[in-house]
Amino acid sequence: DSGVTQTPKHLITATGQRVTLRCSPRSGDLSVYWYQQSLDQGLQFLIQYYNGEERAKGNILERFSAQQFPDLHSELNLSSLELGDSALYFCASSVSTSYNEQFFGPGTRLTVL
Amino acid sequence: QKEVEQDPGPLSVPEGAIVSLNCTYSNSAFQYFMWYRQYSRKGPELLMYTYSSGNKEDGRFTAQVDKSSKYISLFIRDSQPSDSATYLCAMGTGRRALTFGSGTRLQVQP
Repeated sequence: DSGVTQTPKHLITATGQRVTLRCSPRSGDLSVYWYQQSLDQGLQFLIQYYNGEERAKGNILERFSAQQFPDLHSELNLSSLELGDSALYFCASSVSTSYNEQFFGPGTRLTVL
Repeated sequence: QKEVEQDPGPLSVPEGAIVSLNCTYSNSAFQYFMWYRQYSRKGPELLMYTYSSGNKEDGRFTAQVDKSSKYISLFIRDSQPSDSATYLCAMGTGRRALTFGSGTRLQVQP
């Protein structure tokens, strides 16, 4: 158990809908990272937050957004969902703002029908 | 060409074998090197973390980094069926997001 929690474990929804994925980092970690993992794309970095502020953006679509709250938990919002958004979404956390030792949560499996 | 190349496998070995997993990379600015183990549909688990060149050992696992050749390796001694998983290498500069390999699927046959 990495200490990073994610909810929900599974999410099934329809195209055009909006969902919110939640992540709680390890105790003491200030950075949160979101990743998408699909079969044909591997692990893709989406976005990073550090202590409530956005620090880096990767391959995140404009339909996706995230935020980190004062208690350091983070939410990833996915809107206008398409079939191709079906994937595993992972949250990771680390102590500092550098991108090194990251600890991953168990993931949320999103299925868009 | 990808920044990090990793053979997808699958790599099938008998129980007790020594396993060698490798990644090559092109970005000479990488200084931090990690290996993650990912069981099917689970989150990646950090196995080894190495800064710069050299070797690091932890139990049955040894990580090697050769920056001159831009090549990193993970060795697993006395492999067990429970080691069957996908192994992801990851590396970073410390200033931007980690770059992950595509993963090597390992199967250890009892």
